[in-house]
Amino acid sequence: GDSVTQMEGPVTLSEEAFLTINCTYTATGYPSLFWYVQYPGEGLQLLLKATKADDKGSNKGFEATYRKETTSFHLEKGSVQVSDSAVYFCALSEPPDSWGKLQFGAGTQVVVTP
Amino acid sequence: DTAVSQTPKYLVTQMGNDKSIKCEQNLGHDTMYWYKQDSKKFLKIMFSYNNKELIINETVPNRFSPKSPDKAHLNLHINSLELGDSAVYFCASRTGGVSPLHFGNGTRLTVT
Repeated sequence: GDSVTQMEGPVTLSEEAFLTINCTYTATGYPSLFWYVQYPGEGLQLLLKATKADDKGSNKGFEATYRKETTSFHLEKGSVQVSDSAVYFCALSEPPDSWGKLQFGAGTQVVVTP
Repeated sequence: DTAVSQTPKYLVTQMGNDKSIKCEQNLGHDTMYWYKQDSKKFLKIMFSYNNKELIINETVPNRFSPKSPDKAHLNLHINSLELGDSAVYFCASRTGGVSPLHFGNGTRLTVT
């Protein structure tokens, strides 16, 4: 079946450092890929998405490119802030299940220190 | 205005009890979901309703029963609670097509 694998956390880095969170997937078809972010005590929020190969999703300085050849969707941000401290989830969905039935990775906690 | 709201935020109860969690969305979405997040933050879908009709029912013990009185509400009733039911339960909703999920802030259930 489908699965998503993310790098384990916590990832601890200083403010203004470069962030990369690796995400790889296995899927039988052509999935849509997502990054969600969960701030402490809150629900998940969609950060960015990509629906086909070579698409780049971007939002709030974060970027991820859908790489079909390496089945990856790594999340990057060039200069993190303390406010980026959160848990980040990579996820996929495959037709015909639509974008509601998501297969999530285990989540990666990111801690940004001043 | 809260888009997807869940009550209660925290729920502590003893094994064997029956409890309910309520969810309401004011976004006009057609489809609602329940996800379970375990202690290691792993998220897994449990149920989904579209316009009051059950469309997704994953491998969940039948002690869990969702109910959707209308398309803005999706409640989760749990019978005979067990220690392993302790988790954070998230409600979510979305409209049709290629729209993303909107999550509530979760209900932390602790079974003692």
